[in-house]
Amino acid sequence: DAGVTQSPTHLIKTRGQQVTLRCSPKSGHDTVSWYQQALGQGPQFIFQYYEEEERQRGNFPDRFSGHQFPNYSSELNVNALLLGDSALYLCASSPDPRVEKLFFGSGTQLSVL
Amino acid sequence: SQQGEEDPQALSIQEGENATMNCSYKTSINNLQWYRQNSGRGLVHLILIRSNEREKHSGRLRVTLDTSKKSSSLLITASRAADTASYFCATEEETSGSRLTFGEGTQLTVNP
Repeated sequence: DAGVTQSPTHLIKTRGQQVTLRCSPKSGHDTVSWYQQALGQGPQFIFQYYEEEERQRGNFPDRFSGHQFPNYSSELNVNALLLGDSALYLCASSPDPRVEKLFFGSGTQLSVL
Repeated sequence: SQQGEEDPQALSIQEGENATMNCSYKTSINNLQWYRQNSGRGLVHLILIRSNEREKHSGRLRVTLDTSKKSSSLLITASRAADTASYFCATEEETSGSRLTFGEGTQLTVNP
């Protein structure tokens, strides 16, 4: 049973570019959440997707957008990249929108130069 | 924004010793969870304690919750070198739901 998978594992972009990160949830899970983790910090909630809709959103600008597909996989898009967007982006899945136990992927390390 | 503050930021102990980490938070919560992260990769759920519970055990882990002080502690007994990792508390706030707010973590090093 595959867990949460994320791709790519590492990514290097330059300021102003756009990036798409991908996530496949654990089998049987229909809810995907995205978190941003800056170096030395705890993860910060970006948004949650359930039934192909953004259900909740954290304090992130509109440059951060997402999508959930009918197979429950999800994408995180970031436009107009800033140096401060450099971070580990974590995808987490759960069997429903409650957050009583999240299963995390290994993350995508994004570096913006 | 970070909900919680964790204390200490770093902890170094010898194998076999107990490790205690503390977490404080600011708002009313539905539950508090502890996660472990190895080398900046994915987080692994360790234990959840609900707001109406005061103590919970799972293997070598013991979690306490004091809602009057808005604080929690995680005790790892008989630590092993493999316990070396970062430990984060995370809260599901009453008013927000469906999202976790993480603390800044405690880096635990267990020396063989």
